[in-house]
Amino acid sequence: GAGVSQTPSNKVTEKGKYVELRCDPISGHTALYWYRQSLGQGPEFLIYFQGTGAADDSGLPNDRFFAVRPEGSVSTLKIQRTERGDSAVYLCASSAQGDTQYFGPGTRLTVL
Amino acid sequence: SQQGEEDPQALSIQEGENATMNCSYKTSINNLQWYRQNSGRGLVHLILIRSNEREKHSGRLRVTLDTSKKSSSLLITASRAADTASYFCATDEKGAQKLVFGQGTRLTINP
Repeated sequence: GAGVSQTPSNKVTEKGKYVELRCDPISGHTALYWYRQSLGQGPEFLIYFQGTGAADDSGLPNDRFFAVRPEGSVSTLKIQRTERGDSAVYLCASSAQGDTQYFGPGTRLTVL
Repeated sequence: SQQGEEDPQALSIQEGENATMNCSYKTSINNLQWYRQNSGRGLVHLILIRSNEREKHSGRLRVTLDTSKKSSSLLITASRAADTASYFCATDEKGAQKLVFGQGTRLTINP
């Protein structure tokens, strides 16, 4: 079946703008995760959804970052007033049983 | 912040040789997973080993886990050029669902 998909694959924006990143998880997966990866580093956890609710948002760096999953499937990561330091690859993953997390190809965000 | 450290940070070997990467972590875990990443994009899941397991095999991959030392190793046997990638270990702490990644090992297989 289809894997995790993320759109757009690349996003270039200007400092101060608002961006939305989309994740389509594997069908039937109840758990969805967002991570951020800076160049040369491993991914860092941002937020975890179980169903529609955010079960753990301890990784969100500040209140400019927000994520939703209104119907328990597709999720959108929203970043307000983007800063150059937000530039990174944003990865989404989903899992069925809370064990193996399957990752999408990521969205490369560049803030100019 | 990242929990683990991976060793070495970079490894370059000849095709056909075996590659060994190590990972250390800091807290009690439910399981440990290894992922591969090409060109800084999506991660491909390789293998999951649970905290009550000591060794696991999948094809040319062998993973060991030593919970007393809080360490794991990934062995790739008979390496191929296509194995060139970055390899990450990731742990999920007891009571949490999130994965905590190491900084990765960049593996280069020379033909």
